[in-house]
Amino acid sequence: GESVGLHLPTLSVQEGDNSIINCAYSNSASDYFIWYKQESGKGPQFIIDIRSNMDKRQGQRVTVLLNKTVKHLSLQIAATQPGDSAVYFCAEKTGANNLFFGTGTRLTVIP
Amino acid sequence: GAGVSQTPSNKVTEKGKYVELRCDPISGHTALYWYRQSLGQGPEFLIYFQGTGAADDSGLPNDRFFAVRPEGSVSTLKIQRTERGDSAVYLCASSSSGTDTQYFGPGTRLTVL
Repeated sequence: GESVGLHLPTLSVQEGDNSIINCAYSNSASDYFIWYKQESGKGPQFIIDIRSNMDKRQGQRVTVLLNKTVKHLSLQIAATQPGDSAVYFCAEKTGANNLFFGTGTRLTVIP
Repeated sequence: GAGVSQTPSNKVTEKGKYVELRCDPISGHTALYWYRQSLGQGPEFLIYFQGTGAADDSGLPNDRFFAVRPEGSVSTLKIQRTERGDSAVYLCASSSSGTDTQYFGPGTRLTVL
């Protein structure tokens, strides 16, 4: 079936270091992937997305890498800041219109 | 510009009562989605609207849940005979025609006592 999972539920990094959040997906038919950041008491905030015909996409301080061979997605955050502390979700979309989310990774930035 | 808005931000009700949750999507977005998020979990899909019609309601857990979008903009999620297990954050998202990026609102935290 369709599932999105994360390797680690928590991640702690030192301020200024780079962060890498990983995500595994199981549906090889998924053609679109997206990362969200969710702070406590708020809705998911769009960070970056990528289509299955791409391997890498860069935004401001963030990079998403897609490895379709092993069905793996990662989010890299450069020079992590305290404001980056949040729960990060990856989600995938197949032919349907809805997104399938994993349980999230909590990122804690240590000042 | 204005993002997705949801009202109320919090709703406390008693078991068996009826509730309505409102979503106001980003202006011009034709697609609207409802999700439910339990504590410590990712959002789970409930229903998707394209314009006024529910294009996919496969995520609604049972017939106590219903949603409408009569004019293709604002949507209301309706829950009848609420149960304690309905307690969760209900999230709404919207996207513009031909795109996949969904933008979420702040959610409504529903507590059923």
